Amino acid sequence: DAGITQSPRYKITETGRQVTLMCHQTWSHSYMFWYRQDLGHGLRLIYYSAAADITDKGEVPDGYVVSRSKTENFPLTLESATRSQTSVYFCASSGDRRERQPQHFGDGTRLSIL
Amino acid sequence: QKEVEQNSGPLSVPEGAIASLNCTYSDRGSQSFFWYRQYSGKSPELIMSIYSNGDKEDGRFTAQLNKASQYVSLLIRDSQPSDSATYLCALRVGYNTDKLIFGTGTRLQVFP
Repeated sequence: DAGITQSPRYKITETGRQVTLMCHQTWSHSYMFWYRQDLGHGLRLIYYSAAADITDKGEVPDGYVVSRSKTENFPLTLESATRSQTSVYFCASSGDRRERQPQHFGDGTRLSIL
Repeated sequence: QKEVEQNSGPLSVPEGAIASLNCTYSDRGSQSFFWYRQYSGKSPELIMSIYSNGDKEDGRFTAQLNKASQYVSLLIRDSQPSDSATYLCALRVGYNTDKLIFGTGTRLQVFP
């Protein structure tokens, strides 16, 4: 049971570069989420998606772009990376909210922007 | 006021003791509550969910919910050093989304 996988696990890049973080889930979950986790701020929602081709902003969406052409994939793109986007990024997914299903997280991507 | 508040800790308890972790929230409409455990350098892992007032037990863990007072707590009985981690409280917001709001977490240290 692969569950939810993120790639890469670690990434170092330079300011101004475009970088894409990948997220893939095998549960056929409807909902997918991107969070960033920083000291002192906890987990903050960047973007989420309720289904293929449906995405919406979270708490901190500026500087990020998402797409969801297939249910199982939810890539996050930093169009022009800045040092403030250095963080640990987590992808999560959950099933039908009417069944009160919780979110399950991938292993995370540690992103450093120099 | 933050939507979900937790004491950052660290909360230090001796092995075998009961660890009590607390969380308060501001959204009275919240219906679903979750506790996640996060080891250093790892991803959050769901350990408990609770939806109704009262207690819910699962092994050494008990979640307690009091909607009138807007708090949810997690009790860990017979604490072990392996329980040392950060515990995140989360609640589902809104009726038509599946978004969670997380607290910043309480760091628990269980010493032998």
